[in-house]
Amino acid sequence: AQSVTQLDSHVSVSEGTPVLLRCNYSSSYSPSLFWYVQHPNKGLQLLLKYTSAATLVKGINGFEAEFKKSETSFHLTKPSAHMSDAAEYFCVVGEGYSSASKIIFGSGTRLSIRP
Amino acid sequence: DGGITQSPKYLFRKEGQNVTLSCEQNLNHDAMYWYRQDPGQGLRLIYYSQIVNDFQKGDIAEGYSVSREKKESFPLTVTSAQKNPTAFYLCASSIDEAGDNYGYTFGSGTRLTVV
Repeated sequence: AQSVTQLDSHVSVSEGTPVLLRCNYSSSYSPSLFWYVQHPNKGLQLLLKYTSAATLVKGINGFEAEFKKSETSFHLTKPSAHMSDAAEYFCVVGEGYSSASKIIFGSGTRLSIRP
Repeated sequence: DGGITQSPKYLFRKEGQNVTLSCEQNLNHDAMYWYRQDPGQGLRLIYYSQIVNDFQKGDIAEGYSVSREKKESFPLTVTSAQKNPTAFYLCASSIDEAGDNYGYTFGSGTRLTVV
């Protein structure tokens, strides 16, 4: 069985400082991993995805994530936060080529940016 | 521009009424999905469809129904049997049924409120 855990429900950082949003997963097979961002009352937008290629994945808006199999983690980072980064972020895991019913969304991390 | 259109953006339903949420895509994607989002929770899969005239129940299908008569359209009906329908509903599509190797494209959502 697979699962995904976002370790922080809320993260607050100052503008210009680094961002770290943590995600741990559990999967019996080679997972596909994603990060999505959701702005208030909007749909989700794909930030980046890992599908068994390079372990360091670069996404849009300066975000990146590193797949660490030994730690079963896929943390999202950004060197310098911008006010426009304030949003909800979701970590998602799927098992290889799997049914839609086996794609699991984390509960989300709300990112706040202080001026 | 290609994308997914959900309508209406806001919907109010009286107790005992059925309501239908619209989802249209012009991405030529085969697979479409409906998710429900509640505060502080991840997305939960209601129904999904891999191909026209075929659809599968997700994790929380009770009280909902769908149809897939056209590739572009995947409407969701929230029936009176759904006891707690107030939520944010998101429609998504993907190139393949799993969506895990390519990621999903999401609509901007419909917020349903029971009055």
